[in-house]
Amino acid sequence: DQQVKQNSPSLSVQEGRISILNCDYTNSMFDYFLWYKKYPAEGPTFLISISSIKDKNEDGRFTVFLNKSAKHLSLHIVPSQPGDSAVYFCAANNNAGNMLTFGGGTRLMVKP
Amino acid sequence: DGGITQSPKYLFRKEGQNVTLSCEQNLNHDAMYWYRQDPGQGLRLIYYSQIVNDFQKGDIAEGYSVSREKKESFPLTVTSAQKNPTAFYLCASMTVGPVNTGELFFGEGSRLTVL
Repeated sequence: DQQVKQNSPSLSVQEGRISILNCDYTNSMFDYFLWYKKYPAEGPTFLISISSIKDKNEDGRFTVFLNKSAKHLSLHIVPSQPGDSAVYFCAANNNAGNMLTFGGGTRLMVKP
Repeated sequence: DGGITQSPKYLFRKEGQNVTLSCEQNLNHDAMYWYRQDPGQGLRLIYYSQIVNDFQKGDIAEGYSVSREKKESFPLTVTSAQKNPTAFYLCASMTVGPVNTGELFFGEGSRLTVL
């Protein structure tokens, strides 16, 4: 039973346009959400996070939106750049434990 | 520089052999984790440890073993019982405590190929 799902395995976007990556979760105990970016043959790196007490968090070109009632979050990248091409993982934490649950990832390709 | 070091980066193994992947961190993190990534798949948890001399199985622990004798070190052994060991292995660590955001810090990964 996948508690965190990223239903789009891949996404292709033109440089300069907006990239929207989606993530759904089923466990209502999750209260902290993170996005990681991963290049091939490297470890994932932390990108941005959001607490369940907020509905938006922004960091430069990256914004994460959280809709708790829908159990849905999304990552917006504006404007998209070719260097953003990577696999993006959504993750959730219930803070009662020290465990992240990861989605399956979305491969983003930003075309010049 | 603080971080997580995994070695080796690439490893080849013959069928029937055990191999051990090293993971060392100097971040003073209490918790350490091993994940496996297969092509087109997400990160699946193999084992984790939240304190020295204690560890728990993750979702796919069969065919793997770990030890946590020191806070800094969390080696993973891929045994011959693991049916499909060819994968990319990621070690991670996290600080634990009352202010815990759940942010994992990852190593660069180790790619294991069984010949």
